[in-house]
Amino acid sequence: EVQLVESGGGLVKPGGSLRLSCAASGFTFSSYSMNWVRQAPGKGLEWVSSISSSSSYIYYADSVKGRFTISRDNAKNSLYLQMNSLRAEDTAVYYCARDPTFGTTGYFDYWGQGTLVTVSS
Amino acid sequence: SYELTQPPSVSVSPGQTASITCSGDKLGDKYACWYQQKPGQSPVLVIYQDSKRPSGIPERFSGSNSGNTATLTISGTQAMDEADYYCQAWDSSFYVFGTGTKVTVL
Repeated sequence: EVQLVESGGGLVKPGGSLRLSCAASGFTFSSYSMNWVRQAPGKGLEWVSSISSSSSYIYYADSVKGRFTISRDNAKNSLYLQMNSLRAEDTAVYYCARDPTFGTTGYFDYWGQGTLVTVSS
Repeated sequence: SYELTQPPSVSVSPGQTASITCSGDKLGDKYACWYQQKPGQSPVLVIYQDSKRPSGIPERFSGSNSGNTATLTISGTQAMDEADYYCQAWDSSFYVFGTGTKVTVL
């Protein structure tokens, strides 16, 4: 069974940093591109960042470029999101999601349960 | 940047058909997919590559995509289908979500 379990969320002050983790199991993690998607309270879904299976290709939404860094450790079956210079508008539930299309059509077939990040003084 | 627009809400009676549209420039030239999200839960993929259903998704969910519009159709809508629905497309390595539609089963 495919499982994605996020952790690392919490309350942080504006300008602060936080590192999210996503532990994957039930599939060959090193074969799939992975993503972070967020959802602000009461709002829609927003794609944040993606990383290819071997970390060769990395992309960011304009809203987080230069502040967030995505990475992965295939030996540990884990995905990470380092978030720096956090702003109130980064407050959201952050989901880890798998893309099975290997950079072709792009969709998410499995999602984690999400971890809440709250940026507030 | 690429944008996808959905109606904020759609109401449907039990047993009837609900249609949710997703509009974007030349969307028919891309693949569209759809997610269902119930309150407090993670999104669930219900349609991918325009019209394919993942394993476990009921046959009453179907999709199409042509021109500038993708459509999710729920036939014989059930109370359990009440949820938010999001379309999504992939555009040159960037993933774009629609604005979301709340489906209410009256």
